Amino acid sequence: DAGVIQSPRHEVTEMGQEVTLRCKPISGHDYLFWYRQTMMRGLELLIYFNNNVPIDDSGMPEDRFSAKMPNASFSTLKIQPSEPRDSAVYFCASTQGGQGDNEQFFGPGTRLTVL
Amino acid sequence: AQSVTQLGSHVSVSEGALVLLRCNYSSSVPPYLFWYVQYPNQGLQLLLKYTTGATLVKGINGFEAEFKKSETSFHLTKPSAHMSDAAEYFCAVSRGPTSYDKVIFGPGTSLSVIP
Repeated sequence: DAGVIQSPRHEVTEMGQEVTLRCKPISGHDYLFWYRQTMMRGLELLIYFNNNVPIDDSGMPEDRFSAKMPNASFSTLKIQPSEPRDSAVYFCASTQGGQGDNEQFFGPGTRLTVL
Repeated sequence: AQSVTQLGSHVSVSEGALVLLRCNYSSSVPPYLFWYVQYPNQGLQLLLKYTTGATLVKGINGFEAEFKKSETSFHLTKPSAHMSDAAEYFCAVSRGPTSYDKVIFGPGTSLSVIP
C-alpha cells in the first residue's frame, strides 16, 4: 500500500487566499483525521471522520476552516480566508477502527506558509 | 478524560549512551499506549504500542517501552543511541478496546544525539 497520501507537500500563499489541502487515506481504513502541528501548540487534532461522516470537529479553530470527505478515498481541508497564523504543518492520518488498537498511520504532511 | 505528559521537551544523549524518554498518562480505563517518532520533515510513524498482554513491548530500531500500571508510566528506552535516532518522539494514549476513541498525543520530546 502507498500509505496516506497528502498534497501538496508545500503551499505558500498570501493572506486572504483560499487554501485547499488534500488527503487520500489508506484503502480500507474507515477513520480519517486532520491534525495541525506548530511549535507553539504542538500536535492538535482538528477533526476526524468515520465512514466519511464528521464525528468530532471540536478542534477546528474557526469558521474559516472546513473539512469534507465526499468518499472513502478522499478528504479536503479548506481554509478561507487564510491568515498568517494558519502557517503550520497539516497532517492527515487514517486507521481501521475494527482492529481495536487505534494505531494511526500518518501522511507526510503539508507545510503551509501564509504570507 | 485522558492526558499524556512527557517529562523534558528536549533530551540530549551521547552516541552509544542509554536513551530514556519519559511518558506518564492518566486514563480512567485500561489504556492503549503508543510511541510515535517523527523525523525532520516527515509524518509520525509508529515505534511501538501496548494494547494488552506483556507489559514490556519491543518496537522498531531497538526501542522498547514498559507499561507500569502502578506508576501510570510508559517510558521509552534504547540501550545505545545512534545518530539516526535524533528525532521528535511522541507518547500517546487512547481508550480501548471495544470501540474507536481519539488518540491523545503528548507534547513531544526532541532527542538530540551528540557524536
